[in-house]
Amino acid sequence: SQQGEEDPQALSIQEGENATMNCSYKTSINNLQWYRQNSGRGLVHLILIRSNEREKHSGRLRVTLDTSKKSSSLLITASRAADTASYFCATDRGHGSSNTGKLIFGQGTTLQVKP
Amino acid sequence: DADVTQTPRNRITKTGKRIMLECSQTKGHDRMYWYRQDPGLGLRLIYYSFDVKDINKGEISDGYSVSRQAQAKFSLSLESAIPNQTALYFCATSDDEYNQPQHFGDGTRLSIL
Repeated sequence: SQQGEEDPQALSIQEGENATMNCSYKTSINNLQWYRQNSGRGLVHLILIRSNEREKHSGRLRVTLDTSKKSSSLLITASRAADTASYFCATDRGHGSSNTGKLIFGQGTTLQVKP
Repeated sequence: DADVTQTPRNRITKTGKRIMLECSQTKGHDRMYWYRQDPGLGLRLIYYSFDVKDINKGEISDGYSVSRQAQAKFSLSLESAIPNQTALYFCATSDDEYNQPQHFGDGTRLSIL
């Protein structure tokens, strides 16, 4: 069964606009990660946020985590055509205070950035 | 050279055939994973291994088997392929330190006729 549900399934924006993707999950987690997948390629890790963190930044990426609502969002600011890809959230449920090393992936959001 | 290499990249075969997908890594990671990706379903974990002597079933292991030949090599086998195993297969690795991301190969596109 899928842990993560992503919203929207598809998003189309103009270059320069911001893109926001949301992820909801069902069980408690140790950490939540976001990955990008370009067409025909493997997934590339973008950012990891631990369960005790609320917000994290990396370049044009901003991730928030609300464990009370079991949800996370990924914001890409000032989008570029090269950001066109599928984006996946993935959760590690954790085992006690440790991570399990196993990720459960959401179904992904397909982002198209038009030049 | 890629850190995680999957071979073959594409494979078309017939129902009932035995197929092996191979994964090798140069990252020195102990943990390796096999996933399957179907349209609209994201990635699902088939098998994983945390070191050479460790093999664990994932969410969808039925119809698959694996072999961890060395720290750097992790193979996935379909003993008797069936059409609903047509999918994109990914190998991934990670370090065993706390909260480490996974590193993916570029996948094997498998079609079973």
